[in-house]
Amino acid sequence: EPEVTQTPSHQVTQMGQEVILRCVPISNHLYFYWYRQILGQKVEFLVSFYNNEISEKSEIFDDQFSVERPDGSNFTLKIRSTKLEDSAMYFCASRREVGTDTQYFGPGTRLTVL
Amino acid sequence: DQQVKQNSPSLSVQEGRISILNCDYTNSMFDYFLWYKKYPAEGPTFLISISSIKDKNEDGRFTVFLNKSAKHLSLHIVPSQPGDSAVYFCAASNGAGSYQLTFGKGTKLSVIP
Repeated sequence: EPEVTQTPSHQVTQMGQEVILRCVPISNHLYFYWYRQILGQKVEFLVSFYNNEISEKSEIFDDQFSVERPDGSNFTLKIRSTKLEDSAMYFCASRREVGTDTQYFGPGTRLTVL
Repeated sequence: DQQVKQNSPSLSVQEGRISILNCDYTNSMFDYFLWYKKYPAEGPTFLISISSIKDKNEDGRFTVFLNKSAKHLSLHIVPSQPGDSAVYFCAASNGAGSYQLTFGKGTKLSVIP
């Protein structure tokens, strides 16, 4: 069964450093998403991406964040200058375009900012 | 701003009995609802969904009920099994734009053998 994959599973970084989180969505899916879950809190929407551009973003997704689909398979989330409060689980999800609202999630990357 | 609320942080059920997980929402624009199951250190796994044009959807041991007038949905698991022990998230989308999901805080289900 096709699945969303994410790398790395755990990333530790120093405050102020740049990080790139990687995702490989399900191959025939066209919508891509990033969500995050701070420890003890709910899963929150960050950004959606379709047709090589951002389709929607939340207030959390400020200028420090960017997304890219550099090739036909990878979907990345970059945080330019990490803050302590960026420590969270980051989940990638993907969805087929038409006829379904179901998003399928990857296993997540745990980001720890020291 | 809790548009999707799961008021029970935890629930314990005996194996073989019914588990009922509840979810309330406030945004009347939501028209598609999903339940996800999550184990520690894993991503949310899709379980079952329901469109606002239906009031019930069933898939094996899992049934989701939607009461639009009360803005309430519930997930029934019958019979409950120890492997069902996980955190269950209710999520909703408004069927517009990018269909972003709004999640509840989750309910931790423990099925006791």
